[in-house]
Amino acid sequence: DVLMTQTPVSLPVSLGGQVSISCRSSQSLVHSDGNTYLHWYLQKPGQSPQLLIYRVSNRFSGVPDRFSGSGSGTDFTLKISRVEPEDLGVYYCLQSTHFPWTFGGGTKLELK
Amino acid sequence: QVQLQQSGAELAKPGSSVKISCKASGYTFTSYYISWIKQTTGQGLEYIGYINTGSGGTNYNEKFKGKATLTVDKSSSTAFMQLSSLTPDDSAVYYCAIPPIFGVRWFAYWGQGTLVTVSS
Repeated sequence: DVLMTQTPVSLPVSLGGQVSISCRSSQSLVHSDGNTYLHWYLQKPGQSPQLLIYRVSNRFSGVPDRFSGSGSGTDFTLKISRVEPEDLGVYYCLQSTHFPWTFGGGTKLELK
Repeated sequence: QVQLQQSGAELAKPGSSVKISCKASGYTFTSYYISWIKQTTGQGLEYIGYINTGSGGTNYNEKFKGKATLTVDKSSSTAFMQLSSLTPDDSAVYYCAIPPIFGVRWFAYWGQGTLVTVSS
């Protein structure tokens, strides 16, 4: 299975600040169809995960442009600018290039 | 709007089975495969597999073969996951999820989760 390694595990932030979360895969996430199936989710306390970014850099409907995704191959980054209170929670990356699909271990974004 | 309504929390004894449900509404049930995901504090999020809601065909993560059985009832727009031979390691929150449009390889809509607790 593809191992997804997220760093850091915990990320203290000040409101209004900017942060980056890294997600690295144990093998390339470029699919044979040419797409890269790496996605980002936010799970707020007591809620189900919600989709933020799909296929590396595409914001899902309703996701503010404070969220941006980038990367290629095995190395991906989620950036959040102007952090707001509703951004706090645990962020996960998901790869769906290789079956079984696998998630990163999560990064908890919390207030300093 | 798209909704996935899961059944309530289960308390089960080791060695028994549970069957949890995921009732879909707000879209044509057979349009999207339904996936199931396990979440634990220790192991994080794990992908169990998916079911083709039209044909009933399934694809399981090797780790969950023999543990999870996915089925659907098209007449009630409901997907089911049966977990068998339960052990404490099966204690988790289980989610069903679907993509935002047909044929894409990510989830946009999730159920609220079903907590399964395995304890004697």
